[in-house]
Amino acid sequence: GESVGLHLPTLSVQEGDNSIINCAYSNSASDYFIWYKQESGKGPQFIIDIRSNMDKRQGQRVTVLLNKTVKHLSLQIAATQPGDSAVYFCAENIYTGQFYFGTGTSLTVIP
Amino acid sequence: EPEVTQTPSHQVTQMGQEVILRCVPISNHLYFYWYRQILGQKVEFLVSFYNNEISEKSEIFDDQFSVERPDGSNFTLKIRSTKLEDSAMYFCASNTGTPSYNEQFFGPGTRLTVL
Repeated sequence: GESVGLHLPTLSVQEGDNSIINCAYSNSASDYFIWYKQESGKGPQFIIDIRSNMDKRQGQRVTVLLNKTVKHLSLQIAATQPGDSAVYFCAENIYTGQFYFGTGTSLTVIP
Repeated sequence: EPEVTQTPSHQVTQMGQEVILRCVPISNHLYFYWYRQILGQKVEFLVSFYNNEISEKSEIFDDQFSVERPDGSNFTLKIRSTKLEDSAMYFCASNTGTPSYNEQFFGPGTRLTVL
């Protein structure tokens, strides 16, 4: 089956620095990707999405980059804040309702 | 702001017992989902539901699982005979339009503990 994996299980950054969280996916047929944020004791929260016909999408303080050639997805968070501390998951989808999630990267922001 | 709600927040049950996890999706949403997350592991898709029937289900969603939308607001997940390995967080999610290209809103989850 499909698999989504994260390169770095933990990431610590200083407040105000930029964060980059990476994700590798294995299914080249995946055409839609989402980054989720999960805080302790809460459900996943949508951050940003991107379709396979795009290679970059920007939101508020966040940017997602998609490299289909190497099947790689990244989430960039600008000016990281303490409230950004959470586990971040990428998820892929192949035009169905079934999303496949990665194991997550734990981001810790150091004040 | 509308949100997905789930009850109970924590359910403790004995192995072999039936449990029903309840969700109230956002009112104008049409697609509903259940996911589970075993402690320390990734979120796993269980089932999607649209137009009063299952759209897709994963290998995890075997005959012990069932879903139902008994009225216009609730969406339930039933586990008929719980096993120890069913212990996990169970998340309900919903969205408005087509399954893809559309943000899924997640509830806060129900922590199921099977003893």
